[in-house]
Amino acid sequence: DTEVTQTPKHLVMGMTNKKSLKCEQHMGHRAMYWYKQKAKKPPELMFVYSYEKLSINESVPSRFSPECPNSSLLNLHLHALQPEDSALYLCASSQDVGQGFTEAFFGQGTRLTVV
Amino acid sequence: AQTVTQSQPEMSVQEAETVTLSCTYDTSESDYYLFWYKQPPSRQMILVIRQEAYKQQNATENRFSVNFQKAAKSFSLKISDSQLGDAAMYFCAFVYGGSQGNLIFGKGTKLSVKP
Repeated sequence: DTEVTQTPKHLVMGMTNKKSLKCEQHMGHRAMYWYKQKAKKPPELMFVYSYEKLSINESVPSRFSPECPNSSLLNLHLHALQPEDSALYLCASSQDVGQGFTEAFFGQGTRLTVV
Repeated sequence: AQTVTQSQPEMSVQEAETVTLSCTYDTSESDYYLFWYKQPPSRQMILVIRQEAYKQQNATENRFSVNFQKAAKSFSLKISDSQLGDAAMYFCAFVYGGSQGNLIFGKGTKLSVKP
């Protein structure tokens, strides 16, 4: 199994809603990532979770909150989002970090629309 | 800070012909990896090819090969015998060995394949 599975594939939410994006991998990878991709732009890193430690891109607002219940699962909780947060959210995993990084495996993404 | 530059926003190639996509990067690190990822309309980022900076030999994967010029900080992708399924957005990406595996992407090149 070389898949990273993201659910849901599409999500429409209001600015007062609370929702969660789910990401799962069963490859035994030690690191998981959330990237945000605006239309016609490259992905930008939001969070890295590896070795039970969370690293945050300091530019990410607090209305995005990652959670790692176990080593195979990485959720992204969304609260009080703004229309400019509408984007494709990509989850990825890698076997290791640092010298052990070889490649990142990506999920199909969640297309988020904030209305 | 590391940067990745793709100077060709769009490229077009005739089916069965060869096309080269350009990428340059800037870094002061000596231990790093370079990647080409493909993103078709299905949205999933798919690894095309990987190059370790310490390897002098250019990486090859079937119809895909790179021209890695370390001194010039250049990393171009050559696609031979182009197929309709090669049509996608192609991103050049960089990660350095001491990092958490956070990929830094170029702005991408949209490749069209004409039948």
